Parts: sequence; structure tokens; C-alpha cells
Amino acid sequence: KNQVEQSPQSLIILEGKNCTLQCNYTVSPFSNLRWYKQDTGRGPVSLTIMTFSENTKSNGRYTATLDADTKQSSLHITASQLSDSASYICVVRASGGSYIPTFGRGTSLIVHP
Amino acid sequence: GAGVSQSPSNKVTEKGKDVELRCDPISGHTALYWYRQSLGQGLEFLIYFQGNSAPDKSGLPSDRFSAERTGGSVSTLTIQRTQQEDSAVYLCASSLGSTGGEQFFGPGTRLTVL
Repeated sequence: KNQVEQSPQSLIILEGKNCTLQCNYTVSPFSNLRWYKQDTGRGPVSLTIMTFSENTKSNGRYTATLDADTKQSSLHITASQLSDSASYICVVRASGGSYIPTFGRGTSLIVHP
Repeated sequence: GAGVSQSPSNKVTEKGKDVELRCDPISGHTALYWYRQSLGQGLEFLIYFQGNSAPDKSGLPSDRFSAERTGGSVSTLTIQRTQQEDSAVYLCASSLGSTGGEQFFGPGTRLTVL
């Protein structure tokens, strides 16, 4: 069964600090992995997409990594800001024509001033 | 519009009533998804529309749930005889239709069944 597990479930950090969120998956065959940011009361918005051949991709202060061998991804946030407070969701797609991605439960990040 | 829109943003109803939730996808997007997000849970797939093909209804939790998509654009999710466990945020997403394409989400409809 395709599964996506995220850790930690929640995280509280001080503004300006860095943090790393983890995503482990069992989706196979692998097509791509996206990290989404979901602000309270809003829909998820894509931050990055990782394909099999990519192992690092940055989007501003967000850097995603992918290890396709161990089926792990991480999202690193540098110099956190209050606006980074949100839920971060890891979403993995299988290849072979599958159109329903598998969602993780998300990591809830709170950034305190 | 520029993004996916959903209405209403909030809906409070009494147990046993029917509700309709609306989704306006991004113009030109052929794929449309409905998801349910309960507190502390991941997104739960409900139904998928792709162009004029028959929808994939495999995620609908019971026969009280149904959805339609008119003219390949606007979609309506209907929940009949609502139950308290139906309380959740219902999210709609659209994409260009490729199996790896980015899904663009609407803001969701928060449904509360009293």
C-alpha cells in the first residue's frame, strides 16, 4: 500500500531559526514528490517538485532534498519568518498513469517571535 | 478567475439535511479533484474528473456523497442526509490533466454538521 509518513507532527521554533521537516514514503513506482504549504484556512500551495533524478531543489528559503534509494525527502527552512507558520504537506505520485497522489498528514509549524 | 474558487467558504447545517458545495476550477484545466480534510488527518481523496471521461468515484465514502461536473468546468459535491462525521473541510483542486501535473487548490469549504 502506498503511504507517506511525515515527522515531526508539529514543531515550534523561534523566528530566525532553521528547521527541517521529514517525509518517508513507500509509493512505488515513484514519479515525483511535492512539498505543499497550507496556511490556516487556505488551500495547499506547491513549494517544490522533485523527480527521481533530482536530489536538491531550492525555492527561496525553502530547500527540498530527495533520496530515492531510501525513499526519503526533507524540507529545510532557513531563517524562519512568522509567515512560515503553516502546515507542510508531502505529496507523492506514482508513475504508470496514476492520477491520485498520496498525501502525508503534514507537519504543523509554528514560528514564534 | 486566476485561481480555483469554492463556495460557500463555510456551511453549517443540521444533521439529516442535504448540502451542495461548489468548485470553479482554473479555466482550461481538464482535471478536477475533490478531497476531504478532517482535523489532524491528511487529505482524503473523494472523486476525480478528467475531461469527458467517466469520473473515478472510488474515494466516495458512502452513497450519500455524489458529484457532478457540468460542461467540463464547474463541479458540485452533494452530501445527502448529512451526518456529524461529515464535518470537515472539503477541498477542490484542478490541474492541466497530466498525471504528474501540479494541483491547484481552492480555499476549501468548511462544513459543520450539528
